[in-house]
Formats: sequence, C-alpha cells, structure tokens
Amino acid sequence: AQKITQTQPGMFVQEKEAVTLDCTYDTSDQSYGLFWYKQPSSGEMIFLIYQGSYDEQNATEGRYSLNFQKARKSANLVISASQLGDSAMYFCAMRVQGAQKLVFGQGTRLTINP
Amino acid sequence: GAVVSQHPSWVICKSGTSVKIECRSLDFQATTMFWYRQFPKQSLMLMATSNEGSKATYEQGVEKDKFLINHASLTLSTLTVTSAHPEDSSFYICSAHHRDRKTNEQFFGPGTRLTVL
Repeated sequence: AQKITQTQPGMFVQEKEAVTLDCTYDTSDQSYGLFWYKQPSSGEMIFLIYQGSYDEQNATEGRYSLNFQKARKSANLVISASQLGDSAMYFCAMRVQGAQKLVFGQGTRLTINP
Repeated sequence: GAVVSQHPSWVICKSGTSVKIECRSLDFQATTMFWYRQFPKQSLMLMATSNEGSKATYEQGVEKDKFLINHASLTLSTLTVTSAHPEDSSFYICSAHHRDRKTNEQFFGPGTRLTVL
C-alpha cells in the first residue's frame, strides 16, 4: 500500500527565510509521481510542484523546489524567501502508475511571521 | 486554464434531507473526477473516483448508497449526500484529472462546506 508521511504538524518561520517541509513516502512501485499542494484558510487546493519518479533533476517552480531523494524515499518541499502569503497548510501527495487517485499526507501548517 | 468549480460553496441543511454538490471542469474535459472529504485540521480522504459514463469506484468504508455520484458528462460530476446527518458535516472537495497535462495533475475545486443541523 502507498503511504505518505509528513512529520511536521506545524512550522514557524520568519519572513524572507527559506523553509523545508518534510515528506517521506512508501511504495513498491517503480513509477510514481509526487505532488505538493497548498491549502490556504479559504480551503482551495493549489498545485505547487510535481516530481516524477524517473525525473533525474529536482523539480523547480519559481520559489518552490522539490528535494527528491529517491533512495531515501523523500520529497521535501523547499520554499525560498518565504512571504506572509505562504502561511497555509501544505500537503504532500503521491500518485502511482496505473492509478489516477492521489494519496495525501497529514499536512504541515506553515506560519510565516513578520 | 484548468479551472474547476463547485456549487454550492456552502450549504446548511436539516437532518434527513439530501444535498447535491456539483463539480464542473470549466475549460477542459475530465474523464475522471474525484471526491474528497476533509474534516477540520485533517487531511483529504478520497471518497470515490467518478468516471464519465460509468459507475463510480468507492473507497473502502464509504457507503455508496449514501454518497451517490453521477458523472453524466465530460465536465460535470455530482455528489449527492442522501439522508444527511450531523456526522456528514464536513468539507467536500472535488478534483478533475486533466488528461492532456504531462504531469497528470489533478485540479481541485474550491470545496463545499456542508453543515447538517
């Protein structure tokens, strides 16, 4: 069975600092995809970044980058130069080959302090 | 592009009534949509996978007779909570699979907050 683990229930970071949100996953499949979503207090789920299991380079999208360590089965999200608007819940998710559904981690609540 | 809408955004109903929630992909076709449920301060739990033109696939523990799903077109899926009770109060979120995108990411609707009195 597939499983996503986010061990940080909450994170507090000063504005403009970089922050790393941890995510580990468990799967026996060779082909899978890893996603990060942001959920502000409004409830909407905002797609941030994607990493495929066969991608050789770490994914980057603006201030977001994914530190993909396949051997460790980790897919940490790095946010550079954090902003007040980054305060939200962050979910790591995995999709396995042949299945379109996502498995989500428990989430990390990130709070950016001014 | 890739916008998903949900209607209504919130609903309050009496116990025993049925509530229908619509999920629409506005600018793309979605052969597959997903329905999630989220309790306060918890993660998203997949309830069912909705396939256009066929029966939905429900996750273990989800009552298919209580949560009726219909995916009548490539842009619309509906979730009907039948005979709703207070324990059904939750945040319901749908997502649509964008089959033409490289990453096969899902795009989420804004969610529907259901309160059953």
